[in-house]
Amino acid sequence: DAGVIQSPRHEVTEMGQEVTLRCKPISGHDYLFWYRQTMMRGLELLIYFNNNVPIDDSGMPEDRFSAKMPNASFSTLKIQPSEPRDSAVYFCASSLAGTSGRDEQFFGPGTRLTVL
Amino acid sequence: GENVEQHPSTLSVQEGDSAVIKCTYSDSASNYFPWYKQELGKRPQLIIDIRSNVGEKKDQRIAVTLNKTAKHFSLHITETQPEDSAVYFCAASNWRGFGNEKLTFGTGTRLTIIP
Repeated sequence: DAGVIQSPRHEVTEMGQEVTLRCKPISGHDYLFWYRQTMMRGLELLIYFNNNVPIDDSGMPEDRFSAKMPNASFSTLKIQPSEPRDSAVYFCASSLAGTSGRDEQFFGPGTRLTVL
Repeated sequence: GENVEQHPSTLSVQEGDSAVIKCTYSDSASNYFPWYKQELGKRPQLIIDIRSNVGEKKDQRIAVTLNKTAKHFSLHITETQPEDSAVYFCAASNWRGFGNEKLTFGTGTRLTIIP
């Protein structure tokens, strides 16, 4: 398996523009997580899905952020309109529910977003 | 909700010495405590984890200890090597036995191994 795939790897946009980040989880994994990482705030969970259903979106900063998971192999995180304070690295992670052993979250390579 | 505090924020040790990173958590219901390592410019990766039914777990040069009464857990790296240089994150969650639950991460410790 190629692991978690994210695109684009880098995104530079201007304030006010719409940004869409994409994620393909590891095949067979039933949990998908979106994180944001900044120097100031560390690694923050934004939202997570189980079997394509959003379970907890309490970390989504505001209405400008939305996330979807239309099927088991694809998820998007959209920011509209984008602001300079949204600049960060956005990670997607996936995991397989288990009753024992490691509940490891496998992270994608991240998307570095810069909003000018 | 859960709050995880991590100390120190930066740590420098001589190669071959030991490094210890400590975390405290607030939610007494938390029972799963993983540690992730993030090398510069890379993604976080799980290196070790512990559940609340054990007090210590070892994997070669790394070990994690858990004190449920005090609500703190620690990562120990012995015989440090240059490749141990990275940012380490602790995390906590309330794992209910049927699936993955959200992790609350600490703020990270930047470990530098001095050759």
